[in-house]
Order: sequence, then structure tokens, then C-alpha cells
Amino acid sequence: EVQLVESGGTLIQPGGSLRLSCLASGFTVSGYYLTWVRQAPGKGLEWVSVFYAGGGTYYADSVKGRFTISRDTSKNILYLQMSSLRLEDTAVYYCTRDSPPFYWGRGTLVTVSS
Amino acid sequence: EIVLTQSPDFQSVTPKEKVIITCRASQSIGNNLHWYQQKPDQSPRLLIRYASQSFSGVPSRFSGSGSGTQFTLTINDLEAEDAATYYCHQNSGFPLTFGGGTKVEIK
Repeated sequence: EVQLVESGGTLIQPGGSLRLSCLASGFTVSGYYLTWVRQAPGKGLEWVSVFYAGGGTYYADSVKGRFTISRDTSKNILYLQMSSLRLEDTAVYYCTRDSPPFYWGRGTLVTVSS
Repeated sequence: EIVLTQSPDFQSVTPKEKVIITCRASQSIGNNLHWYQQKPDQSPRLLIRYASQSFSGVPSRFSGSGSGTQFTLTINDLEAEDAATYYCHQNSGFPLTFGGGTKVEIK
């Protein structure tokens, strides 16, 4: 059974850094298209970043230069390293698989606030 | 950036009614348009992919159509469990984008 479990979300001050993790089970992260999608409280969905099976990455303009997506195939984990966090980065961050995303995790909440 | 504009933003309907949600793309995206359902406190669920492809597990009352820049999601014989927010999503080009959402409320 395919499962995606996000973790790492917390309350953090503006300007801070945080790393989110997405533990995958039921498949290997090296073989699939994986993305991060976020949703601010009471708002819609926003695509954040993608990690292609072949290793390519893309980012939304709103996070380019601040966020880095990566994967650890030995641990079967997808990461999102976030730095220079802003108030507007407050959101539930979902890890997804496939394009279009079919499998979604339950999300992890990142709150950026002073 | 490909902008997806959904309409309406909100719809209040009675059970068994038909609901039609539209999604307009700012440029042609072929059939690279997908529909999601999200219920409160749940992750999004893929309903329709590539404009009109449904798949097992999704009730047959959900259907999609369109190509290019105009797409529709139709819900026939609306049921109470269909109360949710519906989003369109394109993966034709980066950045990937979502529509703003359509909230469907059951009267």
C-alpha cells in the first residue's frame, strides 16, 4: 500500500529555517515524480516544488532560491528544506506522488509567526 | 504562468441537482487538466484526470470534459457527501498551477 507521511512542521519565526520530511512506503522514491503542494489556512492549493524520478527539480517562483527539494533513496524520504521563511509561507504542506498527483499525505502544518 | 480561473466560487445546491463547474486556462493546455475534490480536514482526492478520464473508485456521477482552454466538471444527481471544494489543476507547464476552487454546499 502506498503511503506518504509528512513531518517536521512547527511554529517558527520569520527568517528561520525548517526541513520537512515525507516518508514514503509501498514504493521507492527514486522511481516516481514527487511534489510538495501547500495550502494556507482557509485558502486554495499551491504547487511548491517537484522532484522528477530522473533527478530534475522545479520550484514555484514564490519559493525559488529559498526552498530546496531533495530525496534520500536509502531512507525512502523526500525532503523540503525551507529557509528565509516568511509569514506567507504559513500553510499545510502536502507531499504527493505522480503527475497529476494521485497519492497525497495528510500534510504537516508550518506556522511562520513572531 | 498558466492561470486557471474557476467559476463559480461558491454554489449552494439541493441533493439530486446537477452541478457544473468550469475552469478556464489562460492559454491552451491541451487535455492536461485534472479535477480534485477536497473535503474539510482531508487531503485532496483526484476525481478526473486528463480532462475526462475517470477511474475506479470515483462515482460515475462525476464527469469531465473540455480541451484547450475551457473545461468543465459535472456532478450529476448530487449527493450530500459531495459537499466539498473542487479544484482544477494543470500540469501542462511549469509552474504547475491550481484553480482557486469552487465550494459546493448542500442546501
